[in-house]
Amino acid sequence: QVQLVESGGGVVQPGRSLRLSCAASGFTFNTSGMHWVRQAPGKGLEWLSVISSDGTNKHYPGSVKGRFTISRDNSKNTLYLQMNSLRIEDTAMYYCAREYGNGWYFGMDVWGQGTTVIVSS
Amino acid sequence: DIQMTQSPPSLSASVGDRVSITCQASQDISYFLNWYQQRPGKAPKLLIYDASNLETGVPPRFSGGGSGTDFTLTISSLQPEDLGTYYCQQYSDLPPLLTFGPGTRVEIK
Repeated sequence: QVQLVESGGGVVQPGRSLRLSCAASGFTFNTSGMHWVRQAPGKGLEWLSVISSDGTNKHYPGSVKGRFTISRDNSKNTLYLQMNSLRIEDTAMYYCAREYGNGWYFGMDVWGQGTTVIVSS
Repeated sequence: DIQMTQSPPSLSASVGDRVSITCQASQDISYFLNWYQQRPGKAPKLLIYDASNLETGVPPRFSGGGSGTDFTLTISSLQPEDLGTYYCQQYSDLPPLLTFGPGTRVEIK
């Protein structure tokens, strides 16, 4: 079945880096755009990034641009999120999700269960 | 950037009630809007895409409408499993820039 499994979360000190991974299965990964979305404890959803199916196009909101980098390895069916200069306010559940559109970015039709990142000294 | 608002922030209704949630965009987004359900402790789930299209497998008691700046998600007959938080999300903004609404929490009386 279609599945996304995130990993790489944990406790990290402010200013440090962390790389999240998302393993995809059950669909043709190299034909799908992919997103990262996060949710701080008790808060709403925040879109973080999208990457095109071939990895050439990447987009971010201003809140994380320059600190977070999305990438993918289609040979491994895996999506990544490199997070640098982490702040307390980056503490959240991080979800990867599949883009449902073809050729542009509309929304997410498949979601992983998330991985927790806690930024704390 | 396009801002999204939702109302009410929360609601409590009985099983069988008709429930409506509204979402407003800060500028015209045509029909470029999705709705998601997030049950407690779970990942979000796509319910409605392109403002009014029901995602495969979603019960027909869910419906979406609206265009431009004002949108509505309606649950025609609330069920216990509909407990959770509902989010709208726009995809009109460029370069692209996706934005979620703040969410509406639905409780069962």
